[in-house]
Amino acid sequence: DIQMTQSPSSLSASVGDRVTITCRASQSITNNLNWYQQKPGKAPKLLIYTASSLESGVPSRFGGSGSGTDFTLTISSLQAEDIATYYCQQSHSSPPWTFGQGTKVEF
Amino acid sequence: EEQLVESGGGLIQPGGSLRLSCAASGFTVSSNYMNWVRQAPGKGLEWVAVIYVRGSTDYADSVKGRFSISRDNSKNTVYLQMNSLRVEDTAVYYCVRDSSNWNIFDYWGQGTLVTVSS
Repeated sequence: DIQMTQSPSSLSASVGDRVTITCRASQSITNNLNWYQQKPGKAPKLLIYTASSLESGVPSRFGGSGSGTDFTLTISSLQAEDIATYYCQQSHSSPPWTFGQGTKVEF
Repeated sequence: EEQLVESGGGLIQPGGSLRLSCAASGFTVSSNYMNWVRQAPGKGLEWVAVIYVRGSTDYADSVKGRFSISRDNSKNTVYLQMNSLRVEDTAVYYCVRDSSNWNIFDYWGQGTLVTVSS
């Protein structure tokens, strides 16, 4: 199985800060990497797919990059409503499709 | 409007069985890959099972042989039959659509809690 490792596990930031979360795969997954946002008590929501494509309706302050084994989610200017836990997920070839352990973004 | 509504969760003793339902509206389940993803309390996300457009299925090793995913096209509903439940199956179970058929989870239900405890 492909293992996904996110860093950091949590971070503290202020409104307006640039926030970067990294995700590393245990083997190459080309660009088959997706990012989700989960707010407390809510279901996850797709933010970015295939490493860098922004899901419809997601604010442009969210961006994704990377390929192979190393990927990044960037929030260019953190807003109050961005407080959440973020997960990466690999969608490469056959199942199981695995998630990172999550990164909690707090103020 | 697209909607996924899960039901069937609850408290069950170890070794018991439970069937979760996921009723879809606003789209057709048989035209999409449909998945179940679970989240243990305070933990991360774990993919559980998928039913493909052609009706074939795949499972995580942790549930293989105990869980079964199916769908009823006439009811536009996906099911997860869970047998031989274990304490470690305790989680919120989400029904998740993959409309891309590329294993991208683009729409999630609100989830249903399954608690396995004696």
